[in-house]
Amino acid sequence: SQTIHQWPATLVQPVGSPLSLECTVEGTSNPNLYWYRQAAGRGLQLLFYSVGIGQISSEVPQNLSASRPQDRQFILSSKKLLLSDSGFYLCAWSLGGRAFFGQGTRLTVV
Amino acid sequence: GESVGLHLPTLSVQEGDNSIINCAYSNSASDYFIWYKQESGKGPQFIIDIRSNMDKRQGQRVTVLLNKTVKHLSLQIAATQPGDSAVYFCAESTPDTGRRALTFGSGTRLQVQP
Repeated sequence: SQTIHQWPATLVQPVGSPLSLECTVEGTSNPNLYWYRQAAGRGLQLLFYSVGIGQISSEVPQNLSASRPQDRQFILSSKKLLLSDSGFYLCAWSLGGRAFFGQGTRLTVV
Repeated sequence: GESVGLHLPTLSVQEGDNSIINCAYSNSASDYFIWYKQESGKGPQFIIDIRSNMDKRQGQRVTVLLNKTVKHLSLQIAATQPGDSAVYFCAESTPDTGRRALTFGSGTRLQVQP
């Protein structure tokens, strides 16, 4: 069966520090991969998606970037965090439409 | 955990009653719809999905209804239990080849009173 792992679960980072969140998927090949962000009391906003290794599409302009160095690995990064980057970050994978989510990373930028 | 749902509309029901959660979508090109359940501090969990060539689909204790004419989606939960308390999101996607990313609604908090 397929599983998705996302870490860390919580993270507190100072403004201006770098960020690296990692997500890996097991049990499937060549999935679509996604990074979403969720602000408190809101729905999920799509940040990046990838249909294959090295293929990244950005949905919204922002202070973040994404990379897919391997088929089942998706990384969300920032060189310098802003206060506004705080939120709940969710990685997801899909094949054929239905998306499956990781448990999320709560990022607090202080 | 994550404080999901601070400003969300809330539906409060008694344990054992049926719940109906509604969702309006805006993109008439959307052809695939999903309901997710999200508990505090966790990622969304898939509940049930429906394609636009159907108007009703049933799962275990859940039914999704799709009205394409008015672009409305609903989730019905039968015999609601305390464990059903969570935030529920509808999501839609369009047949954009390759991308297939979901667009999420703003969510509804379901509170089940014992």
